Amino acid sequence: DAGVIQSPRHEVTEMGQEVTLRCKPISGHNSLFWYRQTMMRGLELLIYFNNNVPIDDSGMPEDRFSAKMPNASFSTLKIQPSEPRDSAVYFCASSLVPDRTRGEAFFGQGTRLTVV
Amino acid sequence: QKEVEQNSGPLSVPEGAIASLNCTYSDRGSQSFFWYRQYSGKSPELIMFIYSNGDKEDGRFTAQLNKASQYVSLLIRDSQPSDSATYLCAVNDGAGSYQLTFGKGTKLSVIP
Repeated sequence: DAGVIQSPRHEVTEMGQEVTLRCKPISGHNSLFWYRQTMMRGLELLIYFNNNVPIDDSGMPEDRFSAKMPNASFSTLKIQPSEPRDSAVYFCASSLVPDRTRGEAFFGQGTRLTVV
Repeated sequence: QKEVEQNSGPLSVPEGAIASLNCTYSDRGSQSFFWYRQYSGKSPELIMFIYSNGDKEDGRFTAQLNKASQYVSLLIRDSQPSDSATYLCAVNDGAGSYQLTFGKGTKLSVIP
C-alpha cells in the first residue's frame, strides 16, 4: 500500500484566497483525521471522520475551515478565506478501528501551507 | 480539556546511553498510549504502543505505563545519532472514538 497520500506537499497562497488540501487514506481504513502542526501549539486534531461521517469537528478553529469526505478514499480540507495565522503543516492520518493497536494512526507526508 | 504533557527538551544524551522520555496525561479514561517519532520536516511515525500497565519491549525501545499515576515513558537503550528526533506521546481518549490527543513532543539529541 502506498500509505496516506496528501496533496499538494507545499502551498503558498495570498491572504484571502481559498485553499484546498487533499487526502487519500490507506485503503480499507475506516477513520480519517485532519491535524494541524505548529511550533507553538504542537499537533492539534481538527476533525475526525469515521466511515465517511464527521464525528468530531470541535477542533476546527472557525467557520473559515471546512472538511468533507465524499467517499472512503478521498477527503478535503478547505480554508476560505485564508489568513497568515493559518500557516502550518497540515497532516492527514487514517486508521482502522477497532484493531489490535486500538487506534494507531498512519500519517501522510503533510502539506506545508504558507499564507502571505 | 484532555491534556498530554511532555518536557519539550531538548534532551541530550551521549551515544550508547539510555534516553528516557516521559509523558503524563489528564484523562483517567484513556485506554491506549502511543509513542511517535518525528524527524525534522517529516511526518510522525509510530514506534511503540501500549495499553496494559507495565513494560513492553521492542528491540532497543521499552514503553512503560502506569495508569494509576497517569504516566507513560519511553526508554531508548544504546541510543544512536539516528534516534535524534522529536518524540510525541499520544493518548487514545477512551470514549470509543479512537481520537488521539498528542503532547507537544520532546526533542532528543544523541551526541556522537
